[in-house]
Amino acid sequence: GQSLEQPSEVTAVEGAIVQINCTYQTSGFYGLSWYQQHDGGAPTFLSYNALDGLEETGRFSSFLSRSDSYGYLLLQELQMKDSASYFCALKGSSYKLIFGSGTRLLVRP
Amino acid sequence: GAGVSQSPSNKVTEKGKDVELRCDPISGHTALYWYRQSLGQGLEFLIYFQGNSAPDKSGLPSDRFSAERTGGSVSTLTIQRTQQEDSAVYLCASSFLAGEETQYFGPGTRLLVL
Repeated sequence: GQSLEQPSEVTAVEGAIVQINCTYQTSGFYGLSWYQQHDGGAPTFLSYNALDGLEETGRFSSFLSRSDSYGYLLLQELQMKDSASYFCALKGSSYKLIFGSGTRLLVRP
Repeated sequence: GAGVSQSPSNKVTEKGKDVELRCDPISGHTALYWYRQSLGQGLEFLIYFQGNSAPDKSGLPSDRFSAERTGGSVSTLTIQRTQQEDSAVYLCASSFLAGEETQYFGPGTRLLVL
């Protein structure tokens, strides 16, 4: 089967940088995605890594290492509105997403 | 429409009743996915449609769950004889093609089974 592990909670200060790690177990996958979800809201796409390495999209960057079964999401210049849950997800067969249980990020002033 | 829409937004039902949840994907999107999210948990894949066909139903938890899609657009998820453990947020997502990076999610239907 496939499984992903993320820290349950992370706290950081406004303006700082935070890294959310994701380790996974799978026999095969197309890529690793990251989604943001505010309380009561719909998940929204942040970033996707099909290949090893770093993908940068504005303040957000994501990294994948297939050899280490590991990825992370890096958020820079944290803002209060970044307080949300962040999910890593494997894109598997049928291109369905297999989600981790999520990391709740709390940004403090 | 501008985004994925789902109805109803909230549904309270009694144990044993049947419920239907509706998803309207973004116009022109051929791929449609249903997920379920229990409180404080990640999303759990249920079923995937490509057009009107469902090549992957592997996530449906039991035979009480079924889904269909008509006209390559609207999809309905039906839960028969609801149980309390079915209480969750049911989310629908769509993408233009199945392999695209981004799946666009609707706001979900919050189902509470009493």
